Amino acid sequence: QKEVEQNSGPLSVPEGAIASLNCTYSDRVSQSFFWYRQYSGKSPELIMSIYSNGDKEDGRFTAQLNKASQYVSLLIRDSQPSDSATYLCAVSDSNYQLIWGAGTKLIIKP
Amino acid sequence: NAGVTQTPKFRILKIGQSMTLQCTQDMNHNYMYWYRQDPGMGLKLIYYSVGAGITDKGEVPNGYNVSRSTTEDFPLRLELAAPSQTSVYFCASRRQTGNQPQHFGDGTRLSIL
Repeated sequence: QKEVEQNSGPLSVPEGAIASLNCTYSDRVSQSFFWYRQYSGKSPELIMSIYSNGDKEDGRFTAQLNKASQYVSLLIRDSQPSDSATYLCAVSDSNYQLIWGAGTKLIIKP
Repeated sequence: NAGVTQTPKFRILKIGQSMTLQCTQDMNHNYMYWYRQDPGMGLKLIYYSVGAGITDKGEVPNGYNVSRSTTEDFPLRLELAAPSQTSVYFCASRRQTGNQPQHFGDGTRLSIL
């Protein structure tokens, strides 16, 4: 059974601090990794995609991938109250279907 | 550019009724998906399609049917609504190239009473 695991949270982070969200996956052949943000009552919105080992930065967001450890993370620098949401990790399988984690609820405290 | 459009946004059904959730995309994406999301849970794949005329079951297909007669449209049919089908339904699409992300519609919130 292919799985994607995330800590459900809530993860509480002070405004201005770094939020660190983690995800592990079981399928060693996974090639594509995505982070989606989902506000309450809204649809998932793509934040970051990463395909190779290492770091990928986009503004305040950094995705980190370690395929050997089957681990992907999302760092949010200078956290803002508007970053409060549920963050979904999605990992592709060999057929490019996405396996979804249950999400981590992030709360940024002013 | 509308992206992925779902209708209706909200619907209440009685047990045993039928309905079709509509999904259309204007990005010429070959791949389309239907998910359901229960409160506090992740997304579960119901059905997907890799192109017009081709559909396949996902993780939780029981109680649902789909069709894909055009590239743009991918409707989801509930034949005999049951309380267990109360959920939020999301349609998504993506380009055919293997590593492309999925893009989501705004969802349909469905209650079966």
